[in-house]
Amino acid sequence: QKEVEQNSGPLSVPEGAIASLNCTYSDRGSQSFFWYRQYSGKSPELIMSIYSNGDKEDGRFTAQLNKASQYVSLLIRDSQPSDSATYLCAVNIYDMRFGAGTRLTVKP
Amino acid sequence: EAQVTQNPRYLITVTGKKLTVTCSQNMNHEYMSWYRQDPGLGLRQIYYSMNVEVTDKGDVPEGYKVSRKEKRNFPLILESPSPNQTSLYFCASSPESGNYGYTFGSGTRLTVV
Repeated sequence: QKEVEQNSGPLSVPEGAIASLNCTYSDRGSQSFFWYRQYSGKSPELIMSIYSNGDKEDGRFTAQLNKASQYVSLLIRDSQPSDSATYLCAVNIYDMRFGAGTRLTVKP
Repeated sequence: EAQVTQNPRYLITVTGKKLTVTCSQNMNHEYMSWYRQDPGLGLRQIYYSMNVEVTDKGDVPEGYKVSRKEKRNFPLILESPSPNQTSLYFCASSPESGNYGYTFGSGTRLTVV
């Protein structure tokens, strides 16, 4: 089992819709969880961090954490074409572990 | 501006010719790390450094060396590059390992022929 698993996609949503990105992790001892956005050919950019169970909102982004289910998600509301990118889930286990990423396409 | 600076952005080299990719951060971060990113394999850690003079291997350290003589700099050295080291490389830094996300450099696309 991979340490951090994401559906590779591609995930396609229409403009204005909610995009839902999911991630599961293997180590119950993980304490810190992150979402990065990576545009094609660019470096990953940190967009959300979450440390406790529940929801954390920042603008159009909401991160959700459920430690009992070992599940992290990212919701993007009112998706825009500029949100088209690969989204990387990262979990700090003994070190930062990245998922392979989910490619999101937002269609105008 | 707070940033991680990598150089060069692009590099084409020949097998066996030693090269160094530089990485420098201006945020006084303790933790620095090198990753390579390959299609379908995601980000894989090469080496990391918890603080000055302390470095350790990541998941794919073979064929690479690093040094951390100063807090701000963390160069990646390929003593004898081979074609399987053709990849996109990222340097990243963080205030400390654990509770903080990373700031990534802009990346170095390396081609070894």
